[in-house]
Amino acid sequence: DQQVKQNSPSLSVQEGRISILNCDYTNSMFDYFLWYKKYPAEGPTFLISISSIKDKNEDGRFTVFLNKSAKHLSLHIVPSQPGDSAVYFCAASAEAGNNRKLIWGLGTSLAVNP
Amino acid sequence: GAVVSQHPSRVICKSGTSVKIECRSLDFQATTMFWYRQFPKQSLMLMATSNEGSKATYEQGVEKDKFLINHASLTLSTLTVTSAHPEDSSFYICSARAGHSNQPQHFGDGTRLSIL
Repeated sequence: DQQVKQNSPSLSVQEGRISILNCDYTNSMFDYFLWYKKYPAEGPTFLISISSIKDKNEDGRFTVFLNKSAKHLSLHIVPSQPGDSAVYFCAASAEAGNNRKLIWGLGTSLAVNP
Repeated sequence: GAVVSQHPSRVICKSGTSVKIECRSLDFQATTMFWYRQFPKQSLMLMATSNEGSKATYEQGVEKDKFLINHASLTLSTLTVTSAHPEDSSFYICSARAGHSNQPQHFGDGTRLSIL
């Protein structure tokens, strides 16, 4: 059972426009959410996170929105750049002390076209 | 900052060989390290969590005698795939987390293991 779902396997956006990547989760115990970016043949790179006590976190061009009632979060990239083309993973975790672990979505492949 | 180095990046070996993969945090102390496996077109699957100086906690269905994990220092964890067989061929990736459990995990670049 997929607890973290990224329903769009791919997304194509024009350079300069906004990219919106979506993520849904089912476990109401999740209290910490992260977005990672992954290029081929490399490990995921941490982008931005949000705690469940917030509904928005912003870092430069990246903003993550959390809607707890809908169990939904999204990553906005504005403006999108060709270098943003990568696979984006949503991950979530619940409090478990030192054994807090991440549950991953399947990823969304973003292509930003020049 | 927060660089994790994983070595080797690719291994090709014969069935029955044991393979050791190293994961190092280069510029921070990793209280906790994680080992994942990824199959094609699937998400990262957590295999085990290890805290420095203690035994690893394995996920359900992961054979601890098959996948030996050692986390002897705050900067190094190793995964040894013992007596590897073709079905163990996969992409293995480690991550490391400093301090508080709400810190993000930082990943190595993974190891592509191919067992002939």
